Amino acid sequence: GAVVSQHPSWVICKSGTSVKIECRSLDFQATTMFWYRQFPKQSLMLMATSNEGSKATYEQGVEKDKFLINHASLTLSTLTVTSAHPEDSSFYICSAAKYEQYFGPGTRLTVT
Amino acid sequence: KQEVTQIPAALSVPEGENLVLNCSFTDSAIYNLQWFRQDPGKGLTSLLLIQSSQREQTSGRLNASLDKSSGRSTLYIAASQPGDSATYLCAVATGNQFYFGTGTSLTVIP
Repeated sequence: GAVVSQHPSWVICKSGTSVKIECRSLDFQATTMFWYRQFPKQSLMLMATSNEGSKATYEQGVEKDKFLINHASLTLSTLTVTSAHPEDSSFYICSAAKYEQYFGPGTRLTVT
Repeated sequence: KQEVTQIPAALSVPEGENLVLNCSFTDSAIYNLQWFRQDPGKGLTSLLLIQSSQREQTSGRLNASLDKSSGRSTLYIAASQPGDSATYLCAVATGNQFYFGTGTSLTVIP
């Protein structure tokens, strides 16, 4: 089956710093990757859709200058949380699409 | 905009019981519907995927049905086990976009 990995799985950073999260499709090429965030006891909310070689499409209310997405290749997309604040603490999940969506294991970000 | 609702929000059952989780969506023009399982602090595990042209899918003790015209899907779990305890999410795909339900938190009591 298709496998999607995320790195790191857990990260703590100080307020004001930037954090990069990687999403990789390990055994298939994905033209489209998605980034979600999940607050405790809430469902996943789509943040942005990332297409290889083009700019990401952000959902309403998501700051594109704060959440930088780079889909550099057919197997790698990165999400950079810039100038992180404690309210950015959340669970970030990516998925890669090939006929259906395959989800990564998630990255838990804690901003202190 | 598509809205996905799951009922109940939480469910607790004794081991061995059969149970049904419900998912409803407002726009029937979907591409497919997927059921996921999420363990605390973990990512999503895909359980069953139903294409819009299908009525149901089965995998082991799990059976998912889809009634697109009424905007409903159910996930049936037979002979529940403590290891089934998790949050179950349904998601509908409209084109390239997924809409997730709020989830049902299931606890199976040994």
